[in-house]
Amino acid sequence: EAGVAQSPRYKIIEKRQSVAFWCNPISGHATLYWYQQILGQGPKLLIQFQNNGVVDDSQLPKDRFSAERLKGVDSTLKIQPAKLEDSAVYLCASSPGTGLGFGQYFGPGTRLTVT
Amino acid sequence: DAKTTQPPSMDCAEGRAANLPCNHSTISGNEYVYWYRQIHSQGPQYIIHGLKNNETNEMASLIITEDRKSSTLILPHATLRDTAVYYCIVSSNTGKLIFGQGTTLQVKP
Repeated sequence: EAGVAQSPRYKIIEKRQSVAFWCNPISGHATLYWYQQILGQGPKLLIQFQNNGVVDDSQLPKDRFSAERLKGVDSTLKIQPAKLEDSAVYLCASSPGTGLGFGQYFGPGTRLTVT
Repeated sequence: DAKTTQPPSMDCAEGRAANLPCNHSTISGNEYVYWYRQIHSQGPQYIIHGLKNNETNEMASLIITEDRKSSTLILPHATLRDTAVYYCIVSSNTGKLIFGQGTTLQVKP
């Protein structure tokens, strides 16, 4: 079974530029998550989708971050404009469903450096 | 904030059992305990989860105390590849994971 795929793996941009990350979850997984992991810290949830609907985006900085999962499969996370403090690893995870008793399966992440 | 407390670091000799403790004194009745680990430069990896009963899979065993206020993850025969940050997480009813700082396990030869 293929795992969660993410691209690109690395990205370097200047502040105020835009960037987009792509995630393809495990086939059949209804729930998709985006996390931000700053160096030395645990991952922090940015947004959670159930199929193509948003379950939780309370930690998403909506003035600059946006995410979509139009067909309930792939997802993109965008930052516009980027700030220096957005330098982090952006992790995508998927799960068979929402709620208790399901593990989340993570992709390798995209390492973003904002200069 | 994370609802769990873990020691920041632990060492374990290769081939010995690694016992990683976690306190979750405020856990509610329908919340699960999850364990994940993160090897350097990789995404977190799901290990195991449990509600009340002890659980075992091919990776590890999870021992949950009867009052559910603490748990222990056991790696029965640690190898150098088990060196990682281990996260103990109590999950909300939406499945949301709130990661703390975790325990850095160093397996030594």
